[in-house]
Amino acid sequence: EIVLTQSPATLSLSPGERATLSCRASQSVSSYLAWYQQKPGQAPRLLVYDASNRATGIPARFSGSRSGTDFTLTISSLEPEDFAVYYCQQRYNWPPTFGQGTRLEIK
Amino acid sequence: DVQLVESGGGLVQPGRSLRLSCAASGFSFDDYAMHWVRQVPGKGLEWVSGISWNSGNIGYLDSVKGRFIISRDNAKNSLYLQMNSLRDEDTALYYCAKDMFPVAAAGPFDHWGQGTLVTVSS
Repeated sequence: EIVLTQSPATLSLSPGERATLSCRASQSVSSYLAWYQQKPGQAPRLLVYDASNRATGIPARFSGSRSGTDFTLTISSLEPEDFAVYYCQQRYNWPPTFGQGTRLEIK
Repeated sequence: DVQLVESGGGLVQPGRSLRLSCAASGFSFDDYAMHWVRQVPGKGLEWVSGISWNSGNIGYLDSVKGRFIISRDNAKNSLYLQMNSLRDEDTALYYCAKDMFPVAAAGPFDHWGQGTLVTVSS
């Protein structure tokens, strides 16, 4: 099973700041990594798939990148609605696995 | 619009069974793989099971293998999860999720339902 390790566990930033969230895979997942956003009481929402492709309807301030087994989700300028929990997920191998999440909170 | 509506959750004693259903609408159900993903309230996400568009490719989380059975009825646009020999650790909110692709059945998951809560307790 591929383990995804997200960092930091919690990120405290202010609206307008840039957010950088990380996800490291325990082995190669090629570019088969996705990012999800989850707000309290809501289902997760797909943001980015295959490392750098934004899902339908996702604002351009969200971007994803890959360097080997390290993946980054960047939010260029935080909006109030962006404060949530973010998960990464790999589809390279079964079972698909998720990271433990990064909580993005308002500073 | 894509809609996924789960049902069938509830309170059940350890060792008993439960069957979850997911009614899909707003897309060509038989063109996509489908999944069940669970989440203990306040905790992270855990993939449980997935099924390809034609049921030819099915996978399970190791801890549910031999106890859970995923199936789909493309004529009814419905996904199911038969959960047998339930354990305390199966307690979670169970989401139905649509795959972006038809075959590989490992995600990404581009649409989710609101979930149905399963509580296993004596």
